[in-house]
Amino acid sequence: GAGVSQSPRYKVAKRGQDVALRCDPISGHVSLFWYQQALGQGPEFLTYFQNEAQLDKSGLPSDRFFAERPEGSVSTLKIQRTQQEDSAVYLCASSLVWGNTEAFFGQGTRLTVV
Amino acid sequence: SQQGEEDPQALSIQEGENATMNCSYKTSINNLQWYRQNSGRGLVHLILIRSNEREKHSGRLRVTLDTSKKSSSLLITASRAADTASYFCATDAGGGADGLTFGKGTHLIIQP
Repeated sequence: GAGVSQSPRYKVAKRGQDVALRCDPISGHVSLFWYQQALGQGPEFLTYFQNEAQLDKSGLPSDRFFAERPEGSVSTLKIQRTQQEDSAVYLCASSLVWGNTEAFFGQGTRLTVV
Repeated sequence: SQQGEEDPQALSIQEGENATMNCSYKTSINNLQWYRQNSGRGLVHLILIRSNEREKHSGRLRVTLDTSKKSSSLLITASRAADTASYFCATDAGGGADGLTFGKGTHLIIQP
């Protein structure tokens, strides 16, 4: 595709529900990042993939958060037993090569936990 | 946690004026990047400056980097209404696999 695509754009979940957020990176991009952006704040790093390998998950807030990229392209961020503090915009970014070069961001998924 | 701090938090200027935003950070970096975010949309990469560079230009954008002061500035010349957005600096500490560390952003409003 032309850019990074994320779905759904909006998700409302009841507290305790599990959610899955999808990211389609730009075809051929090696690196994929997930970020969490709270209202009025800058994005905060969650996790990084180089192809299918998850090289860093140090930013995941708890063991309720899980990410995968099994074939080195599409990635899914799963949040189990959602809580109100999980409400945020979840951004996916991809870049052509390894590491923090120019990153292309998707429009994000706005998650609201009620 | 956020590494950078943008200054000012909000800026309102008239169309045609220049806008300057500053960013300070805390640790050594490999590169520093500036991104723009329009309301409700994803971030768009504007410019990347490496730690061994002091100044970089791209169109109406000028970025400076002072590693001794751990600070950077973004200058937008001849501002346009379409420049209204939030601007974030993001630092790469060089590990490669640990993502970018973003500041809280400067919200820029261009008055027509």
